[in-house]
Amino acid sequence: KNQVEQSPQSLIILEGKNCTLQCNYTVSPFSNLRWYKQDTGRGPVSLTIMTFSENTKSNGRYTATLDADTKQSSLHITASQLSDSASYICVVSDRGSTLGRLYFGRGTQLTVWP
Amino acid sequence: EADIYQTPRYLVIGTGKKITLECSQTMGHDKMYWYQQDPGMELHLIHYSYGVNSTEKGDLSSESTVSRIRTEHFPLTLESARPSHTSQYLCASSGSFRLAATNEKLFFGSGTQLSVL
Repeated sequence: KNQVEQSPQSLIILEGKNCTLQCNYTVSPFSNLRWYKQDTGRGPVSLTIMTFSENTKSNGRYTATLDADTKQSSLHITASQLSDSASYICVVSDRGSTLGRLYFGRGTQLTVWP
Repeated sequence: EADIYQTPRYLVIGTGKKITLECSQTMGHDKMYWYQQDPGMELHLIHYSYGVNSTEKGDLSSESTVSRIRTEHFPLTLESARPSHTSQYLCASSGSFRLAATNEKLFFGSGTQLSVL
């Protein structure tokens, strides 16, 4: 059962344009939400980590938002560059067990065209 | 840039062969993990380790085995590879196992793309 849903599945934008990726989750009880960037053939790289009390966090041209009430997050990319072409993965943690668990979305494949 | 390394990057082998995927990290992390990822799908945890001489199975059943004899080294072994094992294998590490309760980052290696013919 996939508890993290991302949309769109894929997205094509022109260089310089902005875009927003969505993440909806049903993980409960919620602990934190992470966004990762995964280049083709590489491992994921952390962009942001947000806890329940944070509703916005930025990392350069990347800005993540979190609405813990509606269980939604978004990743906004400003002034896109060719190097932004990658898969963006939303990961949600629960705090319901001693060890905790990470729930991975399937990612949004972003392609930036010149 | 994370100091976690996986070798080989790509591996094509025949059915029935024994293989070992290497993973090493130089960050002194106690916690290490192996994930399996198919194209367009989410990552699945197959093994993890709290520290030396500690190994546990993850959420996804896997025929692979792991060992943790040294803190920095967490190899994964398949005794007899089959086409169903074809996938990308990602190694990761963190300073804290309780990622759910902390803002601790999870660092990934570049992965090994395994193809079993």
